[in-house]
Amino acid sequence: AQKITQTQPGMFVQEKEAVTLDCTYDTSDPSYGLFWYKQPSSGEMIFLIYQGSYDQQNATEGRYSLNFQKARKSANLVISASQLGDSAMYFCAMRITGANSKLTFGKGITLSVRP
Amino acid sequence: SAVISQKPSRDICQRGTSLTIQCQVDSQVTMMFWYRQQPGQSLTLIATANQGSEATYESGFVIDKFPISRPNLTFSTLTVSNMSPEDSSIYLCSAEWTRRGETQYFGPGTRLLVL
Repeated sequence: AQKITQTQPGMFVQEKEAVTLDCTYDTSDPSYGLFWYKQPSSGEMIFLIYQGSYDQQNATEGRYSLNFQKARKSANLVISASQLGDSAMYFCAMRITGANSKLTFGKGITLSVRP
Repeated sequence: SAVISQKPSRDICQRGTSLTIQCQVDSQVTMMFWYRQQPGQSLTLIATANQGSEATYESGFVIDKFPISRPNLTFSTLTVSNMSPEDSSIYLCSAEWTRRGETQYFGPGTRLLVL
């Protein structure tokens, strides 16, 4: 069974600075996908970025990048040039590749951006 | 990105009553999912709803408490039956399109408070 670990209780960052949100995972399956979602106070879950286990390069989507270190089983999210609107909960998730596979979420990290 | 809508966005209900949450997606999809997010917690999968078959429930969730319908490829409902205050949560539906990779996209969620 797969497991996602997010241990940072809460993060604070100054506006316009970069911040890294940590995520480690555990699986014995060689083929899997890693996801990050943002959940603002409104409650919606917003997909941010995806990294496949066989991808050769780290994924990037605008100000979001994923620091994928396969040997260490970590998939940290880097947000550059933080904005006030980035204040939210951030969830790391993983899914083993294949039909009927389920998305497993970590506990989430709260990010607060200070003006 | 996908367009997924949910109704109602929030509700306050009395214990012992039932609430049906609707989820509509903008294009046909095979797999839809229902999640529960209790206050301060991560997401927990309730069930997977495939069109034309019975929903598949996760451990700890039963059809009598959370009946699900999937009448076509763009619509699903989740009913929370005989509610108690412990059912107060955010309920989220999600969908996954093969042509959009393995990413699950989420609706805006339904905030339920049971008194």
